[in-house]
Amino acid sequence: RKEVEQDPGPFNVPEGATVAFNCTYSNSASQSFFWYRQDCRKEPKLLMSVYSSGNEDGRFTAQLNRASQYISLLIRDSKLSDSATYLCVVILNTGNQFYFGTGTSLTVIP
Amino acid sequence: GAVVSQHPSWVICKSGTSVKIECRSLDFQATTMFWYRQFPKQSLMLMATSNEGSKATYEQGVEKDKFLINHASLTLSTLTVTSAHPEDSSFYICSATLYSGTDTQYFGPGTRLTVL
Repeated sequence: RKEVEQDPGPFNVPEGATVAFNCTYSNSASQSFFWYRQDCRKEPKLLMSVYSSGNEDGRFTAQLNRASQYISLLIRDSKLSDSATYLCVVILNTGNQFYFGTGTSLTVIP
Repeated sequence: GAVVSQHPSWVICKSGTSVKIECRSLDFQATTMFWYRQFPKQSLMLMATSNEGSKATYEQGVEKDKFLINHASLTLSTLTVTSAHPEDSSFYICSATLYSGTDTQYFGPGTRLTVL
């Protein structure tokens, strides 16, 4: 079983729509969680950390569900510029271990 | 925010040559740097973890003699692809962390390697 799993999509949504992605992780010792955004042929850029209580940054909301072992990213009022691949990263609390998801592709359509 | 640069951004070389890629943390000292490879439409694949002053730790399946990593200082790590072949053509990305290997990673802009 993979350490981190994401639905690769693609998710095609109209402008203004709300879209949510999940990322499941298998190791209950996972400690820290992040969402990164990667544009085509570019490097990943940190979008937001995911805190236990959930956190919001503008149109983006990240949540953690430890019981079910997943994190989510919600994007409200989608913009064309939100089109990208969204990667989740899960970090264990032991050693130098972290795992990237394979990414979820989002295309926002005019 | 933390800035990481890579050089060169794009390189084309003949099969059999060696290519060196530099990764620099510009405004912070990076305890740990990571090297990734990404093939088209695929996720990042961690190749190795590099700590300043010590030998890099390679992921399973990554040949350490082919992908030489030197982390000479807290702001510079280099990846040398030795005797490159067309199958080594890929997007190579480095990242750096401020404090520990499990801290937030800041990525360089990547180096696109094409081996003819």
